[in-house]
Amino acid sequence: DAGVIQSPRHEVTEMGQEVTLRCKPISGHDYLFWYRQTMMRGLELLIYFNNNVPIDDSGMPEDRFSAKMPNASFSTLKIQPSEPRDSAVYFCASSPGQGSNTEAFFGQGTRLTVV
Amino acid sequence: RKEVEQDPGPFNVPEGATVAFNCTYSNSASQSFFWYRQDCRKEPKLLMSVYSSGNEDGRFTAQLNRASQYISLLIRDSKLSDSATYLCAVPDSNYQLIWGAGTKLIIKP
Repeated sequence: DAGVIQSPRHEVTEMGQEVTLRCKPISGHDYLFWYRQTMMRGLELLIYFNNNVPIDDSGMPEDRFSAKMPNASFSTLKIQPSEPRDSAVYFCASSPGQGSNTEAFFGQGTRLTVV
Repeated sequence: RKEVEQDPGPFNVPEGATVAFNCTYSNSASQSFFWYRQDCRKEPKLLMSVYSSGNEDGRFTAQLNRASQYISLLIRDSKLSDSATYLCAVPDSNYQLIWGAGTKLIIKP
């Protein structure tokens, strides 16, 4: 398996523009997570899905953020409109299950810069 | 108190030395614990899982102290390539990982 695949790897956009981040989880993993990492706040969970259904989006900072998982092999995180404070590394991770299978496998991340 | 706490460091350690750092957690019901390693500008990768009292893998040893609610990571004979940030993760009551802020380790020649 190629692991969790994210695209793009880097994104530079102007404030106010829409940004869409993409993720392909590991096949067979039931859980998908979107994280944001910054120097100031560390690794923050934004939202996670179980079997394509959003379970907890309490970490999504504002209504400008939305996430979808239309099928088991694809998810998107959208920011509209983007702001400079959204600049961060966004990681997607997947996990095979709960309990002892909670360990998460991360994609390489998307480094977002909003200018 | 934060759910998962780590000393951010950095720990500056000479090559060949032994270094250890801790991670404290608040959920006393947690049954599994994870140490991840994150290199600069890379994603976190699983280093070790701990399900009982501890785990050992080569130069790395993770130990669990349930009474005091912390896990430790010990690195023996440290290498330059061990320089990284080490993240601790502990499942909450819903089995979702709660992350520490990470401990930065710098191994110096």
